[in-house]
This record gives sequence, structure tokens and C-alpha cells, in this order.
Amino acid sequence: NAGVMQNPRHLVRRRGQEARLRCSPMKGHSHVYWYRQLPEEGLKFMVYLQKENIIDESGMPKERFSAEFPKEGPSILRIQQVVRGDSAAYFCASSPLGGDPDSPLHFGNGTRLTVT
Amino acid sequence: AQSVTQLDSHVSVSEGTPVLLRCNYSSSYSPSLFWYVQHPNKGLQLLLKYTSAATLVKGINGFEAEFKKSETSFHLTKPSAHMSDAAEYFCVVSEVSSASKIIFGSGTRLSIRP
Repeated sequence: NAGVMQNPRHLVRRRGQEARLRCSPMKGHSHVYWYRQLPEEGLKFMVYLQKENIIDESGMPKERFSAEFPKEGPSILRIQQVVRGDSAAYFCASSPLGGDPDSPLHFGNGTRLTVT
Repeated sequence: AQSVTQLDSHVSVSEGTPVLLRCNYSSSYSPSLFWYVQHPNKGLQLLLKYTSAATLVKGINGFEAEFKKSETSFHLTKPSAHMSDAAEYFCVVSEVSSASKIIFGSGTRLSIRP
């Protein structure tokens, strides 16, 4: 049973370009979470999605960031017009029971975005 | 409001000696508490979780943690450190059924001296 798959592992973008980060949850999981980890910091919640629905996006910046989890295919985190401050590791996690405080999250290995 | 505080940003111990990583939390309700480990350039792996059952929780790789409600603590311990334990450790509190209420601590980097 494959774990949470994120790609690419490393992504380099110039300022102003778009970054697209992909996440395939574990088999049988329909709840996906995106987190951002800045250097020397913990994880900050960004967005929680179920298939075709955004459930909680309270951690998403108001501009340039969007996320989707279509009926078919992986979840996508999209960052438009990237700036240097977007450089971070972006982690995706999935769980079988969304919103269950007892349900642990299963993490991917992350995508490390570098904006030059 | 809930929060989690990891009291040490960096802990260094000698191989074979005990490990103590401290975590304090605040919560309005009965929380669920987790410890995750992150090895370099890897994702986070669940070490153990507390969900209102036994207060002493045993996890993988010889780690355990004790939930102490009176002290609002959930410290992570291991009797004897191994070189492979060098990693970043995150204490996590989850309170209600809301994704944004899963709160991560800022992490403790554990270094192991030979």
C-alpha cells in the first residue's frame, strides 16, 4: 500500500512564475491536508480538502494560492506569481476520517520549493 | 483556544543515554496528542498518539510519552538513545473536528553524540 505521494520532490521557480504541487493520498483516504514548513519552523496548516470540496482554507494566503482535489487525480496546490517568501517545504497529509481528532495524519515526503 | 509549546528547540544527548523532549499544551477540551518524527528531507512519521485511553503511551522505536493532565504535559522519552534517533520531533494537539485545529509545535531537533 503506497503512502502519500508528492511530486515533484524539488521545484525551482523564478519570481513571477507559477508553481504546481501534486499530492496523491494513501489508497482509501479521501481527506487531504496541505501544510507549509518554513526553515527552522514547524508546520503551518494551509487547507483541508475532500474530493471536490474545500472544507477549511483558513490557513491559505488570500492571494495567489489555491488548492483543489478533483474527483479523479491528485490534489493540486497552486501558487501563482511566486515570490521569494514562498520558498518552503510543502507537505501533504491524508487521513481516512477527516475531522476526527483521533485520526493520525499520514504525510508525504514533501515538495521543496525554491524561488530564485 | 488550544496551543502547544515545545520547550527546547534543540536537545543533544550521548548515544546510550536517556532522551527527554518536553511538550506542554493548552486545551479547552480533552485533547488528542501526538508525537511525529521528521528525518532530514523526509515527511513526518507518527511516533505515538494519546486519545484518552492509557496515560502512558508506547510508540515505535522504543519511544513513549506520558499524558499528565495536572501538568498539561506530554513529554516524549526514550531510555537509551540511538544514533538513528537524530531527527526533528513535533508535538501535536488535536481538539475538535476541524483541520485547522490540529496544531503543531515548533519542533525539537534531537542530536546524538557518539
